[in-house]
Amino acid sequence: GIQVEQSPPDLILQEGANSTLRCNFSDSVNNLQWFHQNPWGQLINLFYIPSGTKQNGRLSATTVATERYSLLYISSSQTTDSGVYFCAVVETGRRALTFGSGTRLQVQP
Amino acid sequence: EPEVTQTPSHQVTQMGQEVILRCVPISNHLYFYWYRQILGQKVEFLVSFYNNEISEKSEIFDDQFSVERPDGSNFTLKIRSTKLEDSAMYFCASTRDGDKGVKRFYEQYFGPGTRLTVT
Repeated sequence: GIQVEQSPPDLILQEGANSTLRCNFSDSVNNLQWFHQNPWGQLINLFYIPSGTKQNGRLSATTVATERYSLLYISSSQTTDSGVYFCAVVETGRRALTFGSGTRLQVQP
Repeated sequence: EPEVTQTPSHQVTQMGQEVILRCVPISNHLYFYWYRQILGQKVEFLVSFYNNEISEKSEIFDDQFSVERPDGSNFTLKIRSTKLEDSAMYFCASTRDGDKGVKRFYEQYFGPGTRLTVT
């Protein structure tokens, strides 16, 4: 099956800093989503981005499907951004999401 | 905004007992999914369901698991005889995939999860 690798695994930032999270995948995909898992365990949809670039407030994401990677940018980070960020893809021929192992972000005041 | 709901939010059960986790997908969605996340690990796919039958299942989804859509709104996951290793967060998700027979892929929306603890 498809492999989804996220980097870095852990990230500590000072409030106000910017960061870039990366997601590499090993095969062609029909769908790519970014999620934020909050401290209560809920998975919050951030982006549905099988290709191209999207922005939502301080967050933006870019997927280059032909090169099999996606980036999540967080600007002016806040303590509420802390949590785990997951990238998940739907590989060609399937409909289930395959998740990466996540990036654990801690934003310190 | 429509959302996926799940009940209960937390369930504690004894090993060997049967549990039923319930989900109400978004009303115009056609594909339904169950995923699970063991504490500290990544989210894993269990099963997908479309047109009243299982569409795909993972190797985790063995004979102790079953899914059902008992009415027009609920989607359930049953674990027949729970084991300690079934302790996890279980997420239900739904998507418009399959809408009007169009073969495209829509965003999957996740419920808040049911935390299952097997003692």
